[in-house]
Amino acid sequence: EAQVTQNPRYLITVTGKKLTVTCSQNMNHEYMSWYRQDPGLGLRQIYYSMNVEVTDKGDVPEGYKVSRKEKRNFPLILESPSPNQTSLYFCASSLSGQGADIQYFGAGTRLSVL
Amino acid sequence: AQSVAQPEDQVNVAEGNPLTVKCTYSVSGNPYLFWYVQYPNRGLQFLLKYITGDNLVKGSYGFEAEFNKSQTSFHLKKPSALVSDSALYFCAVKGNKLVFGAGTILRVKS
Repeated sequence: EAQVTQNPRYLITVTGKKLTVTCSQNMNHEYMSWYRQDPGLGLRQIYYSMNVEVTDKGDVPEGYKVSRKEKRNFPLILESPSPNQTSLYFCASSLSGQGADIQYFGAGTRLSVL
Repeated sequence: AQSVAQPEDQVNVAEGNPLTVKCTYSVSGNPYLFWYVQYPNRGLQFLLKYITGDNLVKGSYGFEAEFNKSQTSFHLKKPSALVSDSALYFCAVKGNKLVFGAGTILRVKS
């Protein structure tokens, strides 16, 4: 089954404790991205990757890091989480990121930073 | 700059009645337009998209959307709503990047 898998689904942590949210896709997609979803703001892109070893900032990259060492994986790293990073996070992938590609989303990771 | 507006935070409709979820956009050039749906505790799922051609686009689950270039709108419609259509709906526009609206909660009551 074609899917985007995120882990964990739920995470509660404390300020400053480094964490990683994993994302993996099995569709051989070139393009992957991370979004955060906040009430009234919709989805805002954090980082994206056009291919292996190619990453770039989205609209809200501050406080986040990513890496793309393999095509299928695109982890999101919070080196020193803060309460304003409490949010619902989605990983997405698409064939190329170009044109009218359809985005495929993971089920989401709900993060609470205390 | 690209932008998407979904003017209604919530739309309420009775089961069996037609529904409309509104979306307007701003982008340079010819846009690609999308609708996605999010059910509780799930990721977004693609419903339909407009690329070019026929202004009425048909998608999944009986949904359709009407592209209106002069009004820069891409409203989502369904002739007869189901309770199971209750969800959060996102409009998105792709110009040089993909931008999502804030979302509209659709509640269908039996």
